[in-house]
Amino acid sequence: KNEVEQSPQNLTAQEGEFITINCSYSVGISALHWLQQHPGGGIVSLFMLSSGKKKHGRLIATINIQEKHSSLHITASHPRDSAVYICAVPYNTDKLIFGTGTRLQVFP
Amino acid sequence: NAGVTQTPKFQVLKTGQSMTLQCAQDMNHNSMYWYRQDPGMGLRLIYYSASEGTTDKGEVPNGYNVSRLNKREFSLRLESAAPSQTSVYFCASRKARASADTDTQYFGPGTRLTVL
Repeated sequence: KNEVEQSPQNLTAQEGEFITINCSYSVGISALHWLQQHPGGGIVSLFMLSSGKKKHGRLIATINIQEKHSSLHITASHPRDSAVYICAVPYNTDKLIFGTGTRLQVFP
Repeated sequence: NAGVTQTPKFQVLKTGQSMTLQCAQDMNHNSMYWYRQDPGMGLRLIYYSASEGTTDKGEVPNGYNVSRLNKREFSLRLESAAPSQTSVYFCASRKARASADTDTQYFGPGTRLTVL
């Protein structure tokens, strides 16, 4: 069983739709990371959160430490949001275990 | 600041050839990482360096060697390339003992390697 699981693996949406991507993990953690991988391959960090909720523009990340679950929401989705979204959890102080990613395509 | 840079961007090797992937960061970070990314799998850690002069194996170290030349540079070497090493390789860096707001890894643009 993977220690970090994401769902769905693939997601297609129409522009303007509300998007939810889920991440469940089986290891005990203090924080969780969400990253975005652009179609060109570059990876950037979106959020690191240890409790509650964080918001950045149209992106909202929530985490429930007790249930070992996090969600990434995108409001008013846009084609430029098309990317692979990856969650990752830390282990051994400063290493990360990565999920396999959710590929999102938003069509106009 | 350039952030994390990697060279080359693309490389094609024949089985048995050797090569070194270069990585440098200009953010004065202590920790540096090499990952590989394969279809259907998450990023997997090859090697890790907590500081200049130290390196540690990750999840998939076989067939690779690394060198932390100085605080800025962390290179990955394939001594005898195999088709199973066809992958996209990412270098990353992180500020050690970062605060909650700055604890993140910064990734290079990646190197797409094909071994024939």
